[in-house]
Amino acid sequence: NAGVTQTPKFQVLKTGQSMTLQCAQDMNHNSMYWYRQDPGMGLRLIYYSASEGTTDKGEVPNGYNVSRLNKREFSLRLESAAPSQTSVYFCASRPQQETGYEQYFGPGTRLTVT
Amino acid sequence: GNSVTQMEGPVTLSEEAFLTINCTYTATGYPSLFWYVQYPGEGLQLLLKATKADDKGSNKGFEATYRKETTSFHLEKGSVQVSDSAVYFCALTPSGGSYIPTFGRGTSLIVHP
Repeated sequence: NAGVTQTPKFQVLKTGQSMTLQCAQDMNHNSMYWYRQDPGMGLRLIYYSASEGTTDKGEVPNGYNVSRLNKREFSLRLESAAPSQTSVYFCASRPQQETGYEQYFGPGTRLTVT
Repeated sequence: GNSVTQMEGPVTLSEEAFLTINCTYTATGYPSLFWYVQYPGEGLQLLLKATKADDKGSNKGFEATYRKETTSFHLEKGSVQVSDSAVYFCALTPSGGSYIPTFGRGTSLIVHP
């Protein structure tokens, strides 16, 4: 099993450009998440999908959109990138949207917006 | 709302020293508690967890006990190694509602030879 995979690993964008971050898991997990990690801020939840066909906003959804393409894949789109979106983005999955279940994280995408 | 508070870092230790990283939480009911570790350039990975009061999670020499009375889940290791240098995150998943995990801000550990 590859676990949670993310592409690309690194990306540099200019302000106003758009891009999609891809995430896939092969563990048959129901729930998937997108986080951003900034120095001193810990992890902040952008969007999550409790199950295939549903998506919900997290703590910092502005400037982002998501698509739960199928059970395996959950993509994050930046429509018009801003320097404030420079961050490391992590995708995670979890077997169920319930207590007791840990999350499995991908290796991250390091995004710089100039 | 739910919250997790961790001690500020960095924590700097010599090899073989005793480690404690404090974590306290605020949540209703009986959340599950987790410690994750993040090595440089990588994603987070589960270190240990506890799902009910008085449970002790343990892995790779690390331990943490779920203390309901003090709402704490402190991480300990008796003898740290240079390879333990990483960032450690305390987290909880609530026992109801949306079940969205809440993370602490992370504590950086630096172990010197």
